[in-house]
Amino acid sequence: NAGVTQTPKFQVLKTGQSMTLQCAQDMNHEYMSWYRQDPGMGLRLIHYSVGAGITDQGEVPNGYNVSRSTTEDFPLRLLSAAPSQTSVYFCASSLDGGDTEAFFGQGTRLTVV
Amino acid sequence: EDQVTQSPEALRLQEGESSSLNCSYTVSGLRGLFWYRQDPGKGPEFLFTLYSAGEEKEKERLKATLTKKESFLHITAPKPEDSATYLCAVQGYSGSARQLTFGSGTQLTVLP
Repeated sequence: NAGVTQTPKFQVLKTGQSMTLQCAQDMNHEYMSWYRQDPGMGLRLIHYSVGAGITDQGEVPNGYNVSRSTTEDFPLRLLSAAPSQTSVYFCASSLDGGDTEAFFGQGTRLTVV
Repeated sequence: EDQVTQSPEALRLQEGESSSLNCSYTVSGLRGLFWYRQDPGKGPEFLFTLYSAGEEKEKERLKATLTKKESFLHITAPKPEDSATYLCAVQGYSGSARQLTFGSGTQLTVLP
């Protein structure tokens, strides 16, 4: 019973490098989302998806891309990393994105130097 | 724009000392108010969803209540294992559906 799995747990990037944060869920949830968590600012929505093939922007989408080719996977791509993207990233899924509980992954701590 | 403010930012309690955490919110039509618990180095874990003013939900030593402007998370006789950051979030009907707006959390420490 894995739930939401994120990889890697930790990553250090140099400015300008690109990388993909992986997220997979095994609960057959339609709704998936990516958040970043910064001290004193709470969780902020980056991108979300309401189903395979459908994605949309959240509150802070600049510098990030997503795709949703399957129900299970929702990778987050950093196109050209910047120090301002140093943060902890969480992937979440819920049944339909309505008023049902969201399940979160363990997070990826990213440092951009 | 939906907004959530949590207070206090940090709270230290002695074991057994009951208290409340506050979550004030503004939202264009409340679809749901959520409470999550987050342990260090972990993702948030769901606790409660409240839908309308006057609603209450309980789980062990925790009770969540809701008014039209705020929610309280009451902790009765806390234990050290209740130490965590408690997050409040709202989901409204305005803008893009299904987005959660989070507060910055209350870091609770319960001392033995």
